[in-house]
Amino acid sequence: GDSVTQTEGLVTLTEGLPVMLNCTYQSTYSPFLFWYVQHLNEAPKLLLKSFTDNKRPEHQGFHATLHKSSSSFHLQKSSAQLSDSALYYCALSSSGSWQLIFGSGTQLTVMP
Amino acid sequence: AQTIHQWPVAEIKAVGSPLSLGCTIKGKSSPNLYWYWQATGGTLQQLFYSITVGQVESVVQLNLSASRPKDDQFILSTEKLLLSHSGFYLCAWSLWGASAETLYFGSGTRLTVL
Repeated sequence: GDSVTQTEGLVTLTEGLPVMLNCTYQSTYSPFLFWYVQHLNEAPKLLLKSFTDNKRPEHQGFHATLHKSSSSFHLQKSSAQLSDSALYYCALSSSGSWQLIFGSGTQLTVMP
Repeated sequence: AQTIHQWPVAEIKAVGSPLSLGCTIKGKSSPNLYWYWQATGGTLQQLFYSITVGQVESVVQLNLSASRPKDDQFILSTEKLLLSHSGFYLCAWSLWGASAETLYFGSGTRLTVL
């Protein structure tokens, strides 16, 4: 079945350093990939989603590229900010599916 | 602008007691509606989805049920709570079909079962 794997449960880094959060997936049909961010005591919100035409989505300095050959949709940012500290979920929806499958999440903590 | 309101904000309930959580979406007609559950420290698990009034599909069995009595309302309930039902319940809506569409989440209900 479809699944999403986020290998890092916790990532801690210093402000100004680059961010890369890993996401790999298994999908039976054409996948749509998403990154949702959840700040403490808040609801998850969409950060990025993949495009069908291989454009690279970007938002708030974050970007991610869908690589179908390696089944990956890693989240990247060139320079972390304190306000980026949050829980990040990678999620998958397959074409024609009503189910959005979330990974286990990566807690990002940015230190001053 | 669309708004999504969940109620209550938090509940503390006894094992074996009934539960009813609600969600209302304003500003959007005929949205697709979803219930998600997040165990403490866990991921988001989709429980139900609904495309239209009166129709609800179950994604995972957790001894919970859902209903959509009105176009803008989605209810999650059970007659008998279990300890394992504790967690954070999120209602969400989307504009079209789920595949490529953004989910907009409500602020959630935190449920503690004792």
